[in-house]
Amino acid sequence: DAGITQSPRHKVTETGTPVTLRCHQTENHRYMYWYRQDPGHGLRLIHYSYGVKDTDKGEVSDGYSVSRSKTEDFLLTLESATSSQTSVYFCAISESGFRRSYEQYFGPGTRLTVT
Amino acid sequence: GQNIDQPTEMTATEGAIVQINCTYQTSGFNGLFWYQQHAGEAPTFLSYNVLDGLEEKGRFSSFLSRSKGYSYLLLKELQMKDSASYLCAVMDSNYQLIWGAGTKLIIKP
Repeated sequence: DAGITQSPRHKVTETGTPVTLRCHQTENHRYMYWYRQDPGHGLRLIHYSYGVKDTDKGEVSDGYSVSRSKTEDFLLTLESATSSQTSVYFCAISESGFRRSYEQYFGPGTRLTVT
Repeated sequence: GQNIDQPTEMTATEGAIVQINCTYQTSGFNGLFWYQQHAGEAPTFLSYNVLDGLEEKGRFSSFLSRSKGYSYLLLKELQMKDSASYLCAVMDSNYQLIWGAGTKLIIKP
């Protein structure tokens, strides 16, 4: 299994508070992704990174920001959490990014509830 | 717009064969992936197709027809542990994965 961890695994927070989720990998993979998964929807890409300090927006980036200061860590921040951001958040990594056929490996997920 | 369609839920019997279909309309095509996701867990990679035809991997096979925008995942000799959601995803022209909502497969003894 790819070495990917996410923290925290579960979090309950109040509307309007900032929240940061962490993804840590030990595989030295270049590409990292943040997705959210909601019932009735497919996985939706929030942001992705193609290297240290290199990030780009995905399909549902509004209300989220990311940072990658080291190869192994990719942080997702909800600037001011809203109830619509209650979801399960998955981090994923891939060996060679979009331009190769390599699959994405997923972390265990973070279940976030915004009350 | 981009769209991936797959059935919401399917039921099959232990030991039988089941086929899960996926149709897609995307801006460009750079491959189709199938993932398995058990309840409460992360998705795990099953297969990747970029050329037309059938790819076999043990009890699981995946088929692709690019001209029809169609794929299927075939599971043989079903086991109870195959009860899971199966996710279809297409890599578009921007090399981003577009995901279907998943098919929940229920296996009955």
